[in-house]
Amino acid sequence: AQSVTQLDSQVPVFEEAPVELRCNYSSSVSVYLFWYVQYPNQGLQLLLKYLSGSTLVESINGFEAEFNKSQTSFHLRKPSVHISDTAEYFCAVRMPQGGSEKLVFGKGTKLTVNP
Amino acid sequence: DTGVSQNPRHKITKRGQNVTFRCDPISEHNRLYWYRQTLGQGPEFLTYFQNEAQLEKSRLLSDRFSAERPKGSFSTLEIQRTEQGDSAMYLCASSAAWGEQFFGPGTRLTVL
Repeated sequence: AQSVTQLDSQVPVFEEAPVELRCNYSSSVSVYLFWYVQYPNQGLQLLLKYLSGSTLVESINGFEAEFNKSQTSFHLRKPSVHISDTAEYFCAVRMPQGGSEKLVFGKGTKLTVNP
Repeated sequence: DTGVSQNPRHKITKRGQNVTFRCDPISEHNRLYWYRQTLGQGPEFLTYFQNEAQLEKSRLLSDRFSAERPKGSFSTLEIQRTEQGDSAMYLCASSAAWGEQFFGPGTRLTVL
């Protein structure tokens, strides 16, 4: 069964600093990969996704993630964070083979951006 | 339609009582999902509907849990004989075929 590991439960950074939130997955077959963000008191929102093609995917608010098949990773990065990026970030995987549509989530990483 | 809605947003109940939650998906979405999220954990998949058919169920969904989507639109999740371990946030999501899953705000259940 596939699983997702987010290595850091909490990441504190200062505003305008770079950040990397790590995500590793385990699966013997091809997967789709997602990053969701949950702002305080709000629902989960899709930040970006990798389905196929270019291994580097970007979001509209400056985040990017790179699919690395050999390392089974999908780390999320941003070169310069803002206070408004404070949120919890969840990495998720879906296994399209076999028709399963469920998402398997990691435990989440709380990003706190300090002034 | 502004998104997935869930009712109630909060539910406090006593152990042993039954509770029912409702999810209204985005109107053109034929797929509907239920997840459960406990403190410090990511969401865990419970079950999935395509139209009115329940196509996938997690082993987490014990026989005290039942979900329905009778007309392929809204869905209900019922928990019978609630236990303290059922306390969690129950999330609903919907999607079009193979599309992004859009999540609702969740129903927070507290079992006393």
